[in-house]
Amino acid sequence: QQQVKQSPQSLIVQKGGISIINCAYENTAFDYFPWYQQFPGKGPALLIAIRPDVSEKKEGRFTISFNKSAKQFSLHIMDSQPGDSATYFCAAVPSGSRLTFGEGTQLTVNP
Amino acid sequence: DTGVSQDPRHKITKRGQNVTFRCDPISEHNRLYWYRQTLGQGPEFLTYFQNEAQLEKSRLLSDRFSAERPKGSFSTLEIQRTEQGDSAMYLCASMGSGSSYNEQFFGPGTRLTVL
Repeated sequence: QQQVKQSPQSLIVQKGGISIINCAYENTAFDYFPWYQQFPGKGPALLIAIRPDVSEKKEGRFTISFNKSAKQFSLHIMDSQPGDSATYFCAAVPSGSRLTFGEGTQLTVNP
Repeated sequence: DTGVSQDPRHKITKRGQNVTFRCDPISEHNRLYWYRQTLGQGPEFLTYFQNEAQLEKSRLLSDRFSAERPKGSFSTLEIQRTEQGDSAMYLCASMGSGSSYNEQFFGPGTRLTVL
């Protein structure tokens, strides 16, 4: 049973554009929502994360928007760069436990 | 480099053989997780340890799989009688007890190919 649904599956944006990836979850016990970036042949790397007591978190060009009532959260990448081309995974965790990942979004940023 | 290391990075084996992977977590991280990732999918949880105690195992972890963390430091994941369906990337992650934000740091993974 997929508890975290992610869309789109793939995304192509132009350099300087905004990349938006969306996730929805079902389990209300989740209390931590990280985003991971993964390059081919590498392990996932933590990018940014949010807890449900805030609606937005920004770190540099990366912003998470969180809607607790809708059980949805999204990643926005501002001023997208070719170096951002990677696969992005949203995830959710009930406190101190295992990560449940979305299916992933393959982002391509064209120069 | 997150500080989590895995060995080997790649393993090719024939069906029916046993394989063992090793994970060295970030020093003093007391939680260690194993995930499996198949091509085009997100990682799926297999099992996790707090110190040397194995606290949770996924239904994905059949009886051919066994994991240990004997001294609460490094961990091993063994697959017996490998099958072609075991071909995947096996990822290890660690988390410190002081982390209030569930930050798990992943190693580079071991890619297993079963012929």
